[in-house]
Amino acid sequence: NAGVTQTPKFQVLKTGQSMTLQCAQDMNHEYMSWYRQDPGMGLRLIHYSVGAGITDQGEVPNGYNVSRSTTEDFPLRLLSAAPSQTSVYFCASSYSGTQVDIQYFGAGTRLSVL
Amino acid sequence: AQSVAQPEDQVNVAEGNPLTVKCTYSVSGNPYLFWYVQYPNRGLQFLLKYITGDNLVKGSYGFEAEFNKSQTSFHLKKPSALVSDSALYFCAVRDPYSGNTGKLIFGQGTTLQVKP
Repeated sequence: NAGVTQTPKFQVLKTGQSMTLQCAQDMNHEYMSWYRQDPGMGLRLIHYSVGAGITDQGEVPNGYNVSRSTTEDFPLRLLSAAPSQTSVYFCASSYSGTQVDIQYFGAGTRLSVL
Repeated sequence: AQSVAQPEDQVNVAEGNPLTVKCTYSVSGNPYLFWYVQYPNRGLQFLLKYITGDNLVKGSYGFEAEFNKSQTSFHLKKPSALVSDSALYFCAVRDPYSGNTGKLIFGQGTTLQVKP
């Protein structure tokens, strides 16, 4: 079992560039989410999905788009990168229902925007 | 607003000694509380949860947490620390208005350093 796989592990962008952070899980989890981790601020939820075709905004959604066309994949798109989006990004997944809070995290993508 | 606070940025403990990592919360209604651990260059891993029932919850790797409703706290504990326990620990609470959507509110994290 690969679990939650995130690519790339590292990325450097210039201001204004766009890119997609990939996330895939092989556990048939209904729930998937994206967080960003910044020093001293813990993890903040960007977007989440409770199933294929369903997405919703989290705490800090501005500047990011998501889609969920399949159960396995949940890509995060940065439309026009800004230095404020320099962060470590984590994708997570879990079963729905009573197990939804036991989330499995990927290893993260470290993004720098210059 | 719902929130979780971890008052210590770092906790230092000697190997073999007991450890405590503190967490306090502020939520409406009954809290669903969690601890996650992050080892260097890794994603977070679930340690334990409190939903209801016994105030002392046991989790992975010998960790336990004590729920105290009157003090609105959920401190993480371990009787005897190991060097391998050194990591970043996050307390989290379920957003009470999110139902079963899995939205967690995380604290800012506490670095645990266990010295030999």
